[in-house]
Amino acid sequence: DTAVSQTPKYLVTQMGNDKSIKCEQNLGHDTMYWYKQDSKKFLKIMFSYNNKELIINETVPNRFSPKSPDKAHLNLHINSLELGDSAVYFCASSPLAVVSDTQYFGPGTRLTVL
Amino acid sequence: AQKVTQAQTEISVVEKEDVTLDCVYETRDTTYYLFWYKQPPSGELVFLIRRNSFDEQNEISGRYSWNFQKSTSSFNFTITASQVVDSAVYFCALSEATTGANSKLTFGKGITLSVRP
Repeated sequence: DTAVSQTPKYLVTQMGNDKSIKCEQNLGHDTMYWYKQDSKKFLKIMFSYNNKELIINETVPNRFSPKSPDKAHLNLHINSLELGDSAVYFCASSPLAVVSDTQYFGPGTRLTVL
Repeated sequence: AQKVTQAQTEISVVEKEDVTLDCVYETRDTTYYLFWYKQPPSGELVFLIRRNSFDEQNEISGRYSWNFQKSTSSFNFTITASQVVDSAVYFCALSEATTGANSKLTFGKGITLSVRP
């Protein structure tokens, strides 16, 4: 049973293309996140959603648009991809009600922009 | 602003050695939460521990132990009798005490641990 899943695991694309990464969690959590891990392995939050509502948007370029069709899904759409977007993108989820509860991460999507 | 510092970048040990991974944090909050995550070579992020700022008891889980010292703002992680499978990048992270989607994790830069047979 996969708790937080992401597709695809690897994504290779050309500059200027538009791509999406999908995330699904079956933990019944209300809160979902996107984190970016750069080439030096530094992890930084991008967005958080609470039951389909955007809560955190950490100065991410507006080429990045998260979409949450329901509380179990949080997709990340990226327009006009740039070389600097190459990174590993992690989705995570956590319960709503517990203060600073543990965030459980998906396996990551490695995006390579050529 | 919150900050997590993992001053060690890479550590290499021989199997069965004990190893301590250091984590120092900064926050203005009186209530906060600290975490450790493991990222093995396969790439996923594995949760190891969550600790709140009011609980300074040391924690032991098998070969893993954590030492939380509020006086020095440190939350260090020790692996006893290290094994090759412990080779991974280890991240320390900090979160303010908020609910739901406001609970963003601030990560340190990670420590790459290599355990040689």
